[in-house]
Amino acid sequence: AQSVAQPEDQVNVAEGNPLTVKCTYSVSGNPYLFWYVQYPNRGLQFLLKYITGDNLVKGSYGFEAEFNKSQTSFHLKKPSALVSDSALYFCAVRALLTGGGNKLTFGTGTQLKVEL
Amino acid sequence: DTGVSQNPRHKITKRGQNVTFRCDPISEHNRLYWYRQTLGQGPEFLTYFQNEAQLEKSRLLSDRFSAERPKGSFSTLEIQRTEQGDSAMYLCASSSRSTTGRGENTEAFFGQGTRLTVV
Repeated sequence: AQSVAQPEDQVNVAEGNPLTVKCTYSVSGNPYLFWYVQYPNRGLQFLLKYITGDNLVKGSYGFEAEFNKSQTSFHLKKPSALVSDSALYFCAVRALLTGGGNKLTFGTGTQLKVEL
Repeated sequence: DTGVSQNPRHKITKRGQNVTFRCDPISEHNRLYWYRQTLGQGPEFLTYFQNEAQLEKSRLLSDRFSAERPKGSFSTLEIQRTEQGDSAMYLCASSSRSTTGRGENTEAFFGQGTRLTVV
C-alpha cells in the first residue's frame, strides 16, 4: 500500500526565515507526489506536484519541493516565510484508479506557524 | 465562482437521521471524488466517479453511505441512520484529463467541504 509520512505535527518559523515541511513516502513503482495547503474552514488548495523530471518542483505562492529518490522524501520549502503562510500542509501520494482517476493518500498534516 | 461548490457548509443532525450533501464540480471536469476528513487527520478517499459511473469505492464507505452522480455533473452523498462516528468534514474534489497529451490528470480541485456534526 502507498503511504506518506509527515513526521512533524507542527513547524514554527520566524517571518523572513526559510521554511521546510518534511514528507517521506512509500510506494511501489514511480511516485506521483503532491502538496496541498488548508486554511481554517477552507478546502484544500493545490500547491505543487512531482510526476517526473526535475527533482526541484516549483509551485504556487513561492513554494517549491525537492524530490529525493534515495531518501524517499519530498520536502516542501520556501526561501522566506510569510505570516500568511501559516496553515495546515498535507503531503499526498497518488494511486491510479480505474478509468484514469487519481486516488490521493494524504499524510496527517503539518501545522505551519510563521511568527513575526 | 468557477470552483468546486459544496452545500451545505455545515450540518448538525441527530443520531439516526439521514443527511444528504451536494457537490457541484468544476463544469468541464469529468472526474469527481469524495473524501472524509476527521480532526487531526488528512483526508481519506471515499469514492470516485468518472462522468456518471461510480468506478471505485473505499472500504470506509459502509452500506449506510451512498453516492450518486446521475447526469455526470453534480453529485450527492447520502448517509443513512447517522452515527456519532460519522461526524467529520466531507470534501468533494474534481479533476479532468490533462491537455498535455500524456494521459495525466489535472490536479484535484477541492471544495470547501461540508462539516457534519452528529449529536
